[in-house]
Amino acid sequence: EVQLVESGGGLVQPGGSLRLSCAAAGFTFSSHWMHWVRQAPGKGLVWVSGVNGDGSIAMYADSVKGRFTISRDDAKNTLYLQMNSLRGEDTAVYYCVRDGVPQGMAVWGQGTTVTVSS
Amino acid sequence: EIVLTQSPATLSLSPGERATLSCRASQSVSSYLTWYQQKPGQAPRLLIYGASNRATGIPARFSGSGSGTDFTLTISSLEPEDFAVYYCQQRSKWPITFGQGTRLEIK
Repeated sequence: EVQLVESGGGLVQPGGSLRLSCAAAGFTFSSHWMHWVRQAPGKGLVWVSGVNGDGSIAMYADSVKGRFTISRDDAKNTLYLQMNSLRGEDTAVYYCVRDGVPQGMAVWGQGTTVTVSS
Repeated sequence: EIVLTQSPATLSLSPGERATLSCRASQSVSSYLTWYQQKPGQAPRLLIYGASNRATGIPARFSGSGSGTDFTLTISSLEPEDFAVYYCQQRSKWPITFGQGTRLEIK
């Protein structure tokens, strides 16, 4: 069964750091672009970052560029999001998403909640 | 970045009625337009990719059309489980962007 399971969310103070993980199973992880998409409480979906299959290309939304780093370990079938200098506006559910050709973002994890507050 | 504007913000209809949701892009996205459905407390679900292709397992009452800047998601006859929020997304250019969503509610 194709599955994505996020972990690592929690409560962090402004200016703090957090690392999210996404464990993938049931597919050839290294063959897919992977993304992080977030959703603030009561708000819409916002793409955060994406990385290609071998980790050589990483893309970021302007709102997180320079603060967040996406990476992957294909040996462990795991996607990461290192989040530094966190702000209140980073508070959201963070989804790990598998990309595919031609369907696009067909597989989503259940999400992990990040709350930035003092 | 490419801005996607969805209309209406909220659509109130009854089961059995036809729903028409719109997504307009600030510049051409060719056919790189995707539609998602999201229910409360759940992750989004892929409905339509490439503007008009139904994803695996999506009922035939869902259809997508359009290209360039104007796109439409049509639900031919609403079922109770279709009441949810619908998002469009473009993947023509970085950054990937989503529309603000259309809430489809029971009238």
